Amino acid sequence: DTAVSQTPKYLVTQMGNDKSIKCEQNLGHDTMYWYKQDSKKFLKIMFSYNNKELIINETVPNRFSPKSPDKAHLNLHINSLELGDSAVYFCASSQPPGDTQYFGPGTRLTVL
Amino acid sequence: QKEVEQDPGPLSVPEGAIVSLNCTYSNSAFQYFMWYRQYSRKGPELLMYTYSSGNKEDGRFTAQVDKSSKYISLFIRDSQPSDSATYLCAMSTNNAGNNRKLIWGLGTSLAVNP
Repeated sequence: DTAVSQTPKYLVTQMGNDKSIKCEQNLGHDTMYWYKQDSKKFLKIMFSYNNKELIINETVPNRFSPKSPDKAHLNLHINSLELGDSAVYFCASSQPPGDTQYFGPGTRLTVL
Repeated sequence: QKEVEQDPGPLSVPEGAIVSLNCTYSNSAFQYFMWYRQYSRKGPELLMYTYSSGNKEDGRFTAQVDKSSKYISLFIRDSQPSDSATYLCAMSTNNAGNNRKLIWGLGTSLAVNP
């Protein structure tokens, strides 16, 4: 069974489009995260939700809007995509916050 | 100064070598120290987890924390080509509260050559 899953795995789209990435975890964790990993491999936290409540928002442009319908799911919607949004986006979960994190396989976003 | 410093490498070693990977940090409040391994085109996976100071061993891997020097290390003995990956250190404080988060190093790229 996959612990943290993301869809889609690859996403290629044009500048200006809107897209969503979905994440689900079956670990029973209360906390979920979105990270962005750029071409230099640096992992940058974007958002964190604890039990559906936003607890970390790391100065991310408001074109990025996370949504947690329940504690097992965390989605990321991106409006008006820009070239600089091209990266790999990872979802992760942990219990409790700040503790060992389990990562999904990543979504490779390419904006043309 | 970044909270966590890690040399990105790349580091290239022959098979069987002992590998030493390191991170330094500036926040003395860090109590939880982790090493993650990330293979190409995969998500990071937890390799070692240490609370506070000391050593922890798991097979060919040993994690060391020296809080007095604000320095953590990961040693890989008898390195194998399958160890070729990026190794990221991460750490967090012991503060209670929901906004506790991991602070990450840049990751060190390791290649073990057969």
